[in-house]
Amino acid sequence: KQEVTQIPAALSVPEGENLVLNCSFTDSAIYNLQWFRQDPGKGLTSLLLIQSSQREQTSGRLNASLDKSSGRSTLYIAASQPGDSATYLCAVSNQAGTALIFGKGTTLSVSS
Amino acid sequence: GAGVSQSPRYKVAKRGQDVALRCDPISGHVSLFWYQQALGQGPEFLTYFQNEAQLDKSGLPSDRFFAERPEGSVSTLKIQRTQQEDSAVYLCASSRLGSTDTQYFGPGTRLTVL
Repeated sequence: KQEVTQIPAALSVPEGENLVLNCSFTDSAIYNLQWFRQDPGKGLTSLLLIQSSQREQTSGRLNASLDKSSGRSTLYIAASQPGDSATYLCAVSNQAGTALIFGKGTTLSVSS
Repeated sequence: GAGVSQSPRYKVAKRGQDVALRCDPISGHVSLFWYQQALGQGPEFLTYFQNEAQLDKSGLPSDRFFAERPEGSVSTLKIQRTQQEDSAVYLCASSRLGSTDTQYFGPGTRLTVL
């Protein structure tokens, strides 16, 4: 059974700092990995999707990497801002390609 | 264009009542997913539709949970004889293809069972 783990569970940083969020998964047979952002009381917003054949994806200040063989992904956020404060969720597709398996998330707080 | 919408946004039910939660996906999206998110946890998969066909319902926790998408667009998640452990946020997502494509999530329905 696929399990997704995110470390740390919570992170507080001052504005301007670069940071890395970690995600690991137990079964390397995935179609893709996605990073989402969730603001309190709201749904999820997709940030980046990395196909299983890719190594990384970039969008603005965000960069996500994927090492499928070791079951790891990282989300790098450059020059963090208070508006980046949210919970970040990592998810991998199941083998059937019919669902996403989520981690519990990392709650990020960026102080000004 | 319009995103995924869900209604109601909040629902309070007494234990034993039946509830129905609605999801309107993005127009033209073939795939629709339901997830359950307990407080402090990541979403957990419930069921998946491709058009009107329910191709995966392996995540439904019991036979009290039932989902349908009769015309391949709007979907309804029904929970019969609600119990306190059903209290959670129910999220709906849609995508152009399956989970291999980006999923777009609605705001969720927060269900509280008293």
